[in-house]
Amino acid sequence: DAGITQSPRYKITETGRQVTLMCHQTWSHSYMFWYRQDLGHGLRLIYYSAAADITDKGEVPDGYVVSRSKTENFPLTLESATRSQTSVYFCASSPLTVRPSNTEAFFGQGTRLTVV
Amino acid sequence: ELKVEQNPLFLSMQEGKNYTIYCNYSTTSDRLYWYRQDPGKSLESLFVLLSNGAVKQEGRLMASLDTKARLSTLHITAAVHDLSATYFCAVVPLFGNQFYFGTGTSLTVIP
Repeated sequence: DAGITQSPRYKITETGRQVTLMCHQTWSHSYMFWYRQDLGHGLRLIYYSAAADITDKGEVPDGYVVSRSKTENFPLTLESATRSQTSVYFCASSPLTVRPSNTEAFFGQGTRLTVV
Repeated sequence: ELKVEQNPLFLSMQEGKNYTIYCNYSTTSDRLYWYRQDPGKSLESLFVLLSNGAVKQEGRLMASLDTKARLSTLHITAAVHDLSATYFCAVVPLFGNQFYFGTGTSLTVIP
């Protein structure tokens, strides 16, 4: 199916464990983003990628690692999960290339992560 | 630090009434987006505003952009229950390539 998919949809993990959230898009969009959504904070950018092998930090990158070896995949890893990383995580993609661009970001369904 | 501020954060309105949600941002930008999120769901794109004075309308929603004032508005006309959701604005800086989101406005339309 075309679009952007995240897996798993729900995850419970223990403090200190490594967790990887997966994101896959079929549009060949150049840009991909990881956001976390917490009550009172809206969406905050964790990491983003402009193309394969190009990644950069967002507003709240500490405790997270990303990679992008292929255009279509952008996994997010929590190296040692903490309770403060309990959140809903959204992956998004966008062409966002040459200006002017009228293309928005398209979002996956989200992953609800609970760290206990 | 780039800021995107929405107000109000919470809005409860009666069916049939009109109201406006405001989105102020602190950076130079010519691209602003409005999204809708239903509880437990993902974000759905509503409007893409690309220039000063841009106005877009879809049903009971109308969005506008004033890049000089760094302000966008989302106007709701004759609200209906189906419009109950959280609405986010997002801006991409003129020399940037990230979407910065506001904190969202939670709208509840009461019959």
